[in-house]
Amino acid sequence: AQTVTQSQPEMSVQEAETVTLSCTYDTSESDYYLFWYKQPPSRQMILVIRQEAYKQQNATENRFSVNFQKAAKSFSLKISDSQLGDAAMYFCAYRGTHYSGTYKYIFGTGTRLKVLA
Amino acid sequence: NAGVTQTPKFRILKIGQSMTLQCTQDMNHNYMYWYRQDPGMGLKLIYYSVGAGITDKGEVPNGYNVSRSTTEDFPLRLELAAPSQTSVYFCASSYPEVLVLTFGAGSRLTVL
Repeated sequence: AQTVTQSQPEMSVQEAETVTLSCTYDTSESDYYLFWYKQPPSRQMILVIRQEAYKQQNATENRFSVNFQKAAKSFSLKISDSQLGDAAMYFCAYRGTHYSGTYKYIFGTGTRLKVLA
Repeated sequence: NAGVTQTPKFRILKIGQSMTLQCTQDMNHNYMYWYRQDPGMGLKLIYYSVGAGITDKGEVPNGYNVSRSTTEDFPLRLELAAPSQTSVYFCASSYPEVLVLTFGAGSRLTVL
């Protein structure tokens, strides 16, 4: 079974600085997808960024980028120029592909990010 | 364009009571999911469905039941509420080919 591990329960970053959130996962599949979701105090789940495992290039969305290390099964999220609005719970998630017939999204336990003014 | 709608938003139950959390999506998504989120924790998959008439257990199915009679609806049933089921419940849906999981706003359930 697939698992997702986030070993940092809480992180802090100074406004305008850069922070990296860690995520590791375990799977026997060769093709899959990885995601970072943001959950602000409103509780709404918001997709931040996604990565296809078959793509070697790391995904980037504005100030958010990932460092995807397939061999190490590592998928970290880097937030540049942190803003107060980035304060939230961040979840790493895994999903298989139709080849494996696995469409379950498996989530990590989350990292709470605090942004200091 | 409503997306995923969950009702109720809040509910307090007594131990042993039963209730159904409703989930409806208007995006014609094949896949639907129920997650629970305990305070300060991640999301645990309770049940999921790949289409009408097809459901399967997730990581924490005990104490819950689901049905999927239509593409749009995926209700979650709690038969004998227990304090351990106090949580926030999220319904979500997606197309398998589209890498976007759309969530509802969540339902906060307290069992006393």
